[in-house]
Amino acid sequence: AQTVTQSQPEMSVQEAETVTLSCTYDTSESDYYLFWYKQPPSRQMILVIRQEAYKQQNATENRFSVNFQKAAKSFSLKISDSQLGDAAMYFCASVSSVGYALNFGKGTSLLVTP
Amino acid sequence: GAGVSQSPSNKVTEKGKDVELRCDPISGHTALYWYRQSLGQGLEFLIYFQGNSAPDKSGLPSDRFSAERTGGSVSTLTIQRTQQEDSAVYLCASSAQPSGSGAGELFFGEGSRLTVL
Repeated sequence: AQTVTQSQPEMSVQEAETVTLSCTYDTSESDYYLFWYKQPPSRQMILVIRQEAYKQQNATENRFSVNFQKAAKSFSLKISDSQLGDAAMYFCASVSSVGYALNFGKGTSLLVTP
Repeated sequence: GAGVSQSPSNKVTEKGKDVELRCDPISGHTALYWYRQSLGQGLEFLIYFQGNSAPDKSGLPSDRFSAERTGGSVSTLTIQRTQQEDSAVYLCASSAQPSGSGAGELFFGEGSRLTVL
């Protein structure tokens, strides 16, 4: 089984600044995928970024990037040039390459202040 | 429709009543998931449908919970004899392939918020 831990229930960042959200996971699998999902007040979960565990290169999507440390089982999300629209709950998730049900952390609530 | 559609958006019911929550996935998506999101918690996996295969019901919390998927499309999650601890947001997601395949991005609906009084 895979477990995902997000140790920061809430984070705050000023507009245009950079913030990093932490995530650690525990798995016995050798091949798996990691995700960050964003959940705005509309409740609809939106995929932010995905990382294949077999790739050493950190994934990036515009202002969003990850710091994937496989040995440490750490998968943090960095948001650069934060915008008011980034305010949301952020969930870290994992799935085995032979699985299908994503395992989610408890989420981090991100507040963006003007 | 273009996305995953869930209904009702909000449901308030009395303890002991039965409720049905509906999910209409993206057309052509063979995989369908139900998750439960309780206040302050992450998403808890409930059930998974893949094509015509038998569903994985391992996440259903009790025998009061059941789900079906008709014609490989629309799914209904039924909660019988609701309890206050059933209050949560129930999220449905669909994908073209299982998420572990690497190509199976999950597309979520906006969820059904259930409140049991």
